[in-house]
Amino acid sequence: GNSVTQMEGPVTLSEEAFLTINCTYTATGYPSLFWYVQYPGEGLQLLLKATKADDKGSNKGFEATYRKETTSFHLEKGSVQVSDSAVYFCALREAAGNKLTFGGGTRVLVKP
Amino acid sequence: SQTIHQWPATLVQPVGSPLSLECTVEGTSNPNLYWYRQAAGRGLQLLFYSVGIGQISSEVPQNLSASRPQDRQFILSSKKLLLSDSGFYLCAWSVSRNRDSYEQYFGPGTRLTVT
Repeated sequence: GNSVTQMEGPVTLSEEAFLTINCTYTATGYPSLFWYVQYPGEGLQLLLKATKADDKGSNKGFEATYRKETTSFHLEKGSVQVSDSAVYFCALREAAGNKLTFGGGTRVLVKP
Repeated sequence: SQTIHQWPATLVQPVGSPLSLECTVEGTSNPNLYWYRQAAGRGLQLLFYSVGIGQISSEVPQNLSASRPQDRQFILSSKKLLLSDSGFYLCAWSVSRNRDSYEQYFGPGTRLTVT
């Protein structure tokens, strides 16, 4: 079956530091890939997505590139802010389906 | 614009009591609907999804059930809660028309504590 593996947190950073959250996946065919963010006490919000190999999703300074050769979709941001403190979830949707498969989430804490 | 509502926001229930969580979507029709659970320190687990009124698919065996009595209403229920049912319950919806619209949009969640 499908699965998503992402690095365990928490990840603690200082403001303006570089952030990388690794995400790898196992799926048949050509899934779509997503990053969701969950701010404290809230539901999930879609951060960015990529629907085919070599696509780069970007939003709010975050980027992730769909790498089929390494089955990865790592999330990066060049300079984090305190407001980026949240839990980040990597997810995939199989090519012919409605359901998302989520990774375990990575908690990020940015200190001023 | 579309909005998704969940209530209650928080709930504390004793073991063995019943449960009913409600989710409604506005501004769209015939959405796909989903219930997820997020246990403390863990990722999201898909519990149920629905592609139409009265159509429910269960992803994991458990003492929870789901119903969709109306197009934009999705209810999560239990007859007798267990301690292990504690968690953060998220409802989500997605457009069902075409492949590129399969993004899921999440509600604010319900935090359930079973004591």
